[in-house]
Order: sequence, then structure tokens, then C-alpha cells
Amino acid sequence: QVRLEQSGPQVKEPGASVKLSCQTSGYNFLKWPIYWVRRAPGQGPEWLGWIVPETGVALYADAQRDRLALTTDTSTSTSFMELRGLTSADSARYYCARGAGANFWCDNWGPGTQVTVSS
Amino acid sequence: DIVMTQSPDSLAVSLGDQVTVNCKSSSTVVSTANNKIHLAWYQVKEGQPPKLLLYWATDRPFGVPDRFSATASGTDFTLTISRLEAEDAALYYCQQYYGTPTFGQGTKVEIK
Repeated sequence: QVRLEQSGPQVKEPGASVKLSCQTSGYNFLKWPIYWVRRAPGQGPEWLGWIVPETGVALYADAQRDRLALTTDTSTSTSFMELRGLTSADSARYYCARGAGANFWCDNWGPGTQVTVSS
Repeated sequence: DIVMTQSPDSLAVSLGDQVTVNCKSSSTVVSTANNKIHLAWYQVKEGQPPKLLLYWATDRPFGVPDRFSATASGTDFTLTISRLEAEDAALYYCQQYYGTPTFGQGTKVEIK
């Protein structure tokens, strides 16, 4: 059974950084990209990037390229997302998901992590 | 980026009726390499993560009821829910993966 478990809610001040985790189980972590997607209230989902654990190759959305970093720990089948320079516009629920491939759909999703940016 | 535009933003439908959700892409999402339509549909219920409903525009993953179906014509895509059930009340999103992935803004389906 494929499972993606995400870290707990975060409250950050503007300008800070946040690092979220996504621990997976039930499948070969190395072979499937991990996508990061966020959804703010009243808005459609926004793809942030994906990373292929086997190679470490990552692709980032242009809008986030300069302040987003995706990494993995293959020893624990965990993916991490770090976003720097937070603003209120970054307040959203952040999901990790297993991609069917690089630039494909996502077939299994984590429950999401709420990130709130507020002074 | 390819822009995905959904319509309507919301609709209320009676149980047992048919629901149609539309999605339009700003440019083609059909690959000339494999002649496949790079489009997926997701369902999002309150407090839950997205659930994949369809991929390659019309293919259903195992476990998705066959009352969920879709059609595609050029840059226009339609998700149809036949025989609406109470558990189908949710937000529905289309997503293209021809370019870097982008999603529609969502359509809320409510029970009348």
C-alpha cells in the first residue's frame, strides 16, 4: 500500500524559511518522482516542482525556482521541500505526491501540510 | 505555461442526475510523440488530498467508479459524472502535463 506521510503544520514570519518532509512507504521510492503541489484557499492547485529520488534531478516551476529546493533522503525514503523568503502569498496547504513519471499525473497524495505565514 | 480554464466555477445538481465539468487548455496538450492527451482529472473533498480520477484524458485508475468518464476534443475537455451520488460532492480539477504541470481553477459540485 502506497503511503505518503507529511510533517505537521508550520507558522512562519515573513522572510523566514520552511522545510517540509514527506516520508513514503509501500513502493520503490527511487523509481517514482515526488511532486510538490500547494493549494491556497479559493485557488486551484499550483505545481511547485518534482524530484526523481534515484538521480536527484529536479524540475522547478519558474515562479519558485530562485527560492525552492527539493531534496531526498533515500535511506529513509523521504523527500524534503524548503521554501525561502516566505510571504503571506505562500500561506497554503502543501502536498507531496507520487508522480507517474516526470511531468505526468500524480497517483498517490500525502495529506498535506498547512503553512501559515503571518507576522 | 499552459493555462487551464474550467467552467462553471460551481454547480448544484440533484442526486441521480448527470454532471458535466468543462476544461479548456490555452494550447495543445496532445503529444505528437505518442498521440496521447496529457490531461488528468482530480477530485478533492473537504479536508482530503486530491484523488486521481482520470489520466491520459479518459483512462480510469483501478477503483474509480465507471460513472466518472471524460471526453476530449482539441483543447476542450469534459468530465462527466453520471448518476450523481452524495459522495461525489467535491471540487474537481483538470491538470495538463504536456508542459510543466498546470491545473484549472476548479469546479465545485454540490448536491441540490
